[in-house]
Amino acid sequence: EVQLVESGGDLVQPGGSLRLSCAASGFAFSSYYMGWVRQAPGKGLEWVANIKTDGSDKSYVDSVKGRFTISRDNSKNSLYLQMNSLRVEDTAVYYCARESRGPLDWGQGTLVTVSS
Amino acid sequence: DVVMTQSPLSLPVTLGQPASISCRSSQSLVYSDGNTYLNWFQQRPGQSPRRLIYKVSNRDSGVPDRFSGSGSGTDFTLKISRVEAEDVGVYYCIQATHWPWTFGQGTKVEIK
Repeated sequence: EVQLVESGGDLVQPGGSLRLSCAASGFAFSSYYMGWVRQAPGKGLEWVANIKTDGSDKSYVDSVKGRFTISRDNSKNSLYLQMNSLRVEDTAVYYCARESRGPLDWGQGTLVTVSS
Repeated sequence: DVVMTQSPLSLPVTLGQPASISCRSSQSLVYSDGNTYLNWFQQRPGQSPRRLIYKVSNRDSGVPDRFSGSGSGTDFTLKISRVEAEDVGVYYCIQATHWPWTFGQGTKVEIK
């Protein structure tokens, strides 16, 4: 059974940083692109970033470019999202997703709240 | 970015009756490999999204056959042949042909 478990969400002040983690199990992690998707409270879904199987290629939505960094550790079956210079509009539930030309499986999400 | 436009945004349905959701893209979703990467997701209240349909019309494992997807190019449809109580939730289309992947606004399905 595929499991994706996110952690690291918290309340942070504008301009602050946070690192999200996603522990994956139940599939060959190193064989899949992985990504992060977010959902602001009461709003729709936004794809944030994805990363190639070996970490050599990364893509970001324009709104987070230069501030967020996606990474992975295939030896630990883990995905990460380093978020810097956080803004109020980054407040959302962040989902880790196994990707197959679009999200295939999702975690339960971790809440990031950016507020003073 | 490709804009995905869903309609309607709210869909009250009587149990046992059909439902249909439209999703239109601002440009063709046919990829260079010939595939069309248009997927549909269901998000039940308080849950993570779940993929129902991939590449326009392919049902995921475990998805009831009352769900079907169709369409081509820029115009796509998700149909529920007979709505059941467990189908309540928000349905999203997503295109994964052009980066960044983009979602529709979501269609909230509720029981009348």
